[in-house]
Amino acid sequence: EAGVTQFPSHSVIEKGQTVTLRCDPISGHDNLYWYRRVMGKEIKFLLHFVKESKQDESGMPNNRFLAERTGGTYSTLKVQPAELEDSGVYFCASGVSLVEQYFGPGTRLTVT
Amino acid sequence: DQQVKQNSPSLSVQEGRISILNCDYTNSMFDYFLWYKKYPAEGPTFLISISSIKDKNEDGRFTVFLNKSAKHLSLHIVPSQPGDSAVYFCAASAIYGGSQGNLIFGKGTKLSVKP
Repeated sequence: EAGVTQFPSHSVIEKGQTVTLRCDPISGHDNLYWYRRVMGKEIKFLLHFVKESKQDESGMPNNRFLAERTGGTYSTLKVQPAELEDSGVYFCASGVSLVEQYFGPGTRLTVT
Repeated sequence: DQQVKQNSPSLSVQEGRISILNCDYTNSMFDYFLWYKKYPAEGPTFLISISSIKDKNEDGRFTVFLNKSAKHLSLHIVPSQPGDSAVYFCAASAIYGGSQGNLIFGKGTKLSVKP
């Protein structure tokens, strides 16, 4: 069974540009989460989808971040415009139930 | 304001000995706790979990202990192996309290197991 996949693995962009991160969850997993780890800090929750619906987006830093999950399958996280403090590793996780979350390898975002 | 704290950034143990990783939490609403293991350039991998109705859960070489009164949990690895060398994250959730499963993570402890 394929795990959670994320694309790209690494993205380097300039401040002010737009970046879109993609997450493909494990097939059949209705729950999809986005997390972020800024260097030297803990992994922090961003938002949670159940199928295509946003259940909790309390962790989204500001309105420069937009997450979507079209058709309840893959999800995208767009940052527009990117700022220096957005640099970090963005993880996606999926699960069948609330008690299990399988993480992808992450996308390392560097904003210069 | 960190709700989940791993106060030891690193731990070094000898192969074959016990590794004990500690985690403290402040939010009494947390009712489910997990340990994840992370290698460089990979995502966190689920290791073991425990719900607040238990005080111990064991899976092979890994045992998690929960002390609710002290708001403390620990992960024991016995015996430790060089392949266990990784960063270990403690995470907590208020699943049964309606949090929808979003995890609150500690900063991690880097475990090094020396041959």
